[in-house]
Amino acid sequence: DAGVIQSPRHEVTEMGQEVTLRCKPISGHDYLFWYRQTMMRGLELLIYFNNNVPIDDSGMPEDRFSAKMPNASFSTLKIQPSEPRDSAVYFCASSFRDRGRTEAFFGQGTRLTVV
Amino acid sequence: AQTVTQSQPEMSVQEAETVTLSCTYDTSESDYYLFWYKQPPSRQMILVIRQEAYKQQNATENRFSVNFQKAAKSFSLKISDSQLGDAAMYFCAYRSAHNYGQNFVFGPGTRLSVLP
Repeated sequence: DAGVIQSPRHEVTEMGQEVTLRCKPISGHDYLFWYRQTMMRGLELLIYFNNNVPIDDSGMPEDRFSAKMPNASFSTLKIQPSEPRDSAVYFCASSFRDRGRTEAFFGQGTRLTVV
Repeated sequence: AQTVTQSQPEMSVQEAETVTLSCTYDTSESDYYLFWYKQPPSRQMILVIRQEAYKQQNATENRFSVNFQKAAKSFSLKISDSQLGDAAMYFCAYRSAHNYGQNFVFGPGTRLSVLP
């Protein structure tokens, strides 16, 4: 398996624009997580899915953020409209339910810069 | 809710020496898993080691070992014979073994520098 695949690797956009981050989890994994990493706040869980269903979205900062998982092999995180404070590295990770033993497998992350 | 604390924002170690990174966590559960991740400058998150809470034996992976103290809710990482390639951010993480709450809770990280 190629691992968790995120696109794009880097995104630079202007304030007010819509940004869509994409993630392909590892085949067979039934959990998918979106994290945001910044120097100030560290690694924050934004939302996670189990079997394509959002389980906990309490980490989503505000209504400008939305996430979907239309099928087991694809998820998106959308920011509309984007703001400079959204600049961060966004990670997607996937895992498997086996009583918690399986680690989270991370993608390479998307570095988002909003100017 | 579970929390994970790493009280050392930064650490440094001389090459070939040993260093220990601290991690404490708070939970009311008895069955869970703990992980240490490494994030080098490439920003890729890499699993270093995993510990199962119901196992008393401390996990080891080559130069990496843990000191797991369940009663104290402590999970420290020891790196022996430190190498320049060990320089990275290290994150401690918790995952419940129960069907609910299977998300990962990460600590704030410790930045490790390795001095030649």
